Parts: sequence; structure tokens; C-alpha cells
Amino acid sequence: QKEVEQNSGPLSVPEGAIASLNCTYSDRGSQSFFWYRQYSGKSPELIMFIYSNGDKEDGRFTAQLNKASQYVSLLIRDSQPSDSATYLCAVNPNSGGYQKVTFGTGTKLQVIP
Amino acid sequence: GAGVSQTPSNKVTEKGKYVELRCDPISGHTALYWYRQSLGQGPEFLIYFQGTGAADDSGLPNDRFFAVRPEGSVSTLKIQRTERGDSAVYLCASSLGPSSGELFFGEGSRLTVL
Repeated sequence: QKEVEQNSGPLSVPEGAIASLNCTYSDRGSQSFFWYRQYSGKSPELIMFIYSNGDKEDGRFTAQLNKASQYVSLLIRDSQPSDSATYLCAVNPNSGGYQKVTFGTGTKLQVIP
Repeated sequence: GAGVSQTPSNKVTEKGKYVELRCDPISGHTALYWYRQSLGQGPEFLIYFQGTGAADDSGLPNDRFFAVRPEGSVSTLKIQRTERGDSAVYLCASSLGPSSGELFFGEGSRLTVL
């Protein structure tokens, strides 16, 4: 079982719709969860992090965490063509007291104008 | 510099050759990571430095791979006897410290082994 699993997509949504990206993780003791966005040919950039169960909102982005289900998601409201990218879910198992961040394979999002 | 700097941006080499990839992290960032990313995959952890020492090298695939960070700033990833399977983008990231979750990535070094 992979440590962090994501559907590779592509996920296609029309402009203005809500895009929902999902991720599951295997280590029940994981403490920190991150969403990175990666445009084609570019390096990943952090867009959201969440540490506690529930929702965390930042502008058009909402991260949701359910530790009991080992599930984290990212919602993008009012999707724009500029949101088209690969979204990487990343998890810190928090072992050893440092941030060994493990990434999923990413979900490719296409926002159709 | 303002961001994480990686050189070279592109490297083409022949099978069996030796390669060095360099990473200059953001000033003041004590934590430094190397990841490898193949097409269609997420970044794969290779090694983590806190200061000068390799705190976790569990992701290095075999003994052909080695990394150093002698003065706690610039790091070099060294690959001996390169193989075609080593072709990938090698990403370096830095963060403020071990308790910081935000990784700042460089633009990567694309390695192609012919």
C-alpha cells in the first residue's frame, strides 16, 4: 500500500465550478498534511496545510481533514483556467521529530473555460 | 538569493558517467531535502539534511547515490556510474527548520542518462 494515494485524473471541471481533490494516507499517526500545486514543467509550491480535523479555508481553497478516515481533501471554489495544474497531497508521518514529507502521485486538474 | 537555486538546470550524460547536482537553499533555512520526480509521479524522497548532517538518507536508492552539505548551506547530490533509470528531475527543497512544514522547492535539475 502506498503511503499517500491520489487519483491521477485528469479531473475536468468547467470554469466557475467546484473542484474536489481527494487523498488518503496509510500512517494513522500522521500529523501534518499539505497540498502543493505543480504547474507543468515547474516545481511544486505549497498552497495549503492543515493539522487538525475539520476544515481550513483560505480564499477559494478549503482543506478538509478526517484523521479517523485517514482522508484529506482540497476544494477549489470558482475554479479558474489558471487553476489547471497537478495537485500533490503530502503527509508528514512526524517520525524522528522532523518533517519527512511524503508525496502522492498527484491529481491533474483541468479547468475548462 | 531569493529562492532555492539548483544547477545545472539540465544535464545530459552517458551511462556510466559521474554526475553532480548542486543546490543552494534559501538563506537561513537549516533544513534541506532532495527529491526525485519522474514523469507522471510525485516527488520521491531521497535525503534530508538538518544543518551539515544527513538526518535521514533512507530514500537513497542505492550506494551509487550520495549527498553532502559540508557547511550547512549548499548541498551536492552525487551519482556514480549513472544508469538510464536515473533519468528524472531532481528537486531540492529547503525549509526554516525541522518543525516547519513548508518546503520551498528549486526549479529542479533535469538529468537525462543516454
